[in-house]
Order: sequence, then C-alpha cells, then structure tokens
Amino acid sequence: VMTQTPLSLSVTPGQPASISCRSSQSLLHGGGRTYLYWYLQRPGQSPQLLIYEVSNRFSGVPDRFSGSGSGTDFTLKISRVEAEDVGDYYCMQSLHLPTFGQGTKVEIK
Amino acid sequence: QVQLVESGGGVVQPGGSLTVSCAASGFTFRNNGMHWVRRAPGKGLEWMTFIQNDGSSTEYADSVKGRFTISRDNSRDTLYLQMNSLRLEDTAVYYCARGPGAISWTFDYWGQGTLVTVAS
Repeated sequence: VMTQTPLSLSVTPGQPASISCRSSQSLLHGGGRTYLYWYLQRPGQSPQLLIYEVSNRFSGVPDRFSGSGSGTDFTLKISRVEAEDVGDYYCMQSLHLPTFGQGTKVEIK
Repeated sequence: QVQLVESGGGVVQPGGSLTVSCAASGFTFRNNGMHWVRRAPGKGLEWMTFIQNDGSSTEYADSVKGRFTISRDNSRDTLYLQMNSLRLEDTAVYYCARGPGAISWTFDYWGQGTLVTVAS
C-alpha cells in the first residue's frame, strides 16, 4: 500500500512544496535498485513521468523537481512552484505489480 | 516522437463488452512492453495490465483478471484491451502507456486516453 501526504496542497508561486509517500514494505530490490516513481497529471492531460527510481529526473523534467528517500519513505520536492505545476501528483511502486498512491492535488494560491 | 493514440471508447451496458485500441508510432513498437492504466471519475490512477514486447507474457490487476484481455499486433504497431463483463465501476479514462524496455514496470510515455462509460 502506498500512502501519500498531504492529499492536497495550496502553494504560493515561487515557494517550495513537498509531497511524502510511504510504502507498506521496502521498495529496495535485491539488485540494489528501488522501484519508486513519481507522476504528474495536469488538468485535462495525460499523466507524465517526473522521477524514476527515487531520484532520477525523466527527460525534459525541470530541475526544480527532485526526489529522495529510501526503503519505505520517499519525498518529491518542488523547489519553486510555478503555475504549470498544478495537478495531481502520484507516487507509484513497481517492485511488485504497480500500485499508485492516492494522489496529491497541488493548487496555486 | 513517441505517440500513443487510443480509440474505441464509448458507452456500454453493464455486463457488456468493448475493445479499445492504442496505435503506436515514433518508436519500434515490438521492442517495448506496454500497459493499460485507468482513472475513474474522482479517483486516482490504477494500473490494469501489462504485455511483454513479444506478447509472450501478460499480467493483470486482480480487479480485472478473468474479465479483461490485453493483446498486441506488432505488425500493426497496435495494442488492444478487450473488456468483458463490464461493471459500473469500470467507468474510467483508459490510457495506454509504454514501458521503457521489453519487460519494464514503469511508464515513460502515455496516450491521451479514451473514455469508457458503463451505464444502463
């Protein structure tokens, strides 16, 4: 089970934001990789991959997005929120069949 | 560039069947595993099913196992999802999504989605 907090977040542009994701079991694979991902679904758009394997930004993702964590506890940080960052953020594990967190809705104040 | 275009969504009665498709372009389709992910109204993302690049292996979420079938035609660069015994709770936007490799359990590119509505 993937548990995200908070479920909603209202942020002033230019301010930082942080989303937590906790897994009910460790996502560390025996081969040393950790199968934790972050996705963003903007309003009216398809989901897009932001971060793979905890901390690696996908192609084209701005460097204001960063991921961290290990084992069962993970965090997505946005260093300075912009208007285009509005949407629903999901963490996902794929150590087993993929499961998503409940989602965190990010809004602009 | 990678493009995934879903089609075939619509309104179907409970207990009915529907097949949705996903046309791929901009990459070598036969090299990548593919997934279906859905989002029901007011709910979050839910992974449904996966098929390996050559079609030799599939996996399903418990919620659709035995009712949904994923398949692909690598000669047509097309992914399919056959949905049988549809329930009201299957109402959702269905997205096809590409895995980065032959067997990969993440999704690097997504289609725009196709809406399936189960209603009487």
